[in-house]
Amino acid sequence: DTGVSQDPRHKITKRGQNVTFRCDPISEHNRLYWYRQTLGQGPEFLTYFQNEAQLEKSRLLSDRFSAERPKGSFSTLEIQRTEQGDSAMYLCASSSTGAIVNTEAFFGQGTRLTVV
Amino acid sequence: KQEVTQIPAALSVPEGENLVLNCSFTDSAIYNLQWFRQDPGKGLTSLLLIQSSQREQTSGRLNASLDKSSGRSTLYIAASQPGDSATYLCAVMGGSYIPTFGRGTSLIVHP
Repeated sequence: DTGVSQDPRHKITKRGQNVTFRCDPISEHNRLYWYRQTLGQGPEFLTYFQNEAQLEKSRLLSDRFSAERPKGSFSTLEIQRTEQGDSAMYLCASSSTGAIVNTEAFFGQGTRLTVV
Repeated sequence: KQEVTQIPAALSVPEGENLVLNCSFTDSAIYNLQWFRQDPGKGLTSLLLIQSSQREQTSGRLNASLDKSSGRSTLYIAASQPGDSATYLCAVMGGSYIPTFGRGTSLIVHP
């Protein structure tokens, strides 16, 4: 397994279009996270899955954003009716739950979204 | 709500210096703390993970310590090199199982 994979790496879209990003976590990881990062800021949490269940969503995740993780494997993040303020790096991370400790999170290379 | 602060925000040093990056958090009820490195335009690379029961972790020239009761962690970089230039981020995981990040320390090591 080569780590967390995100596709596409870059996306340029016109305002008002819909975009969808994909994340493939490390295969044995049951937790999957989406974050958004803008220039000079740390990653901001968007949503979190444990297996196929979406357990938490940030208030940053407006109704234009939706995420899925069918079958508890890969995940998709869709943004509808994109706005210029959606321009950011979208990061995916995965980790696994242990009996006693929580293991480290591994991140993908991100998808850079530019809305023009 | 957990808040994570990293000081300094930026640091520029000559090659060879030993460095200390600081991370503080407001809620000490954490499961673990993780340090990451981020190169411009790239994703995050995990450097060190410290469980709440641990005091420190070491990897090569990196050493991270954790003082959970005071809400502080430090990342020590020995004998810095130009290749260490990057942004360093810390993240804490609490009861929500969601890592919360600071804004990072941007490090430049010049030859």
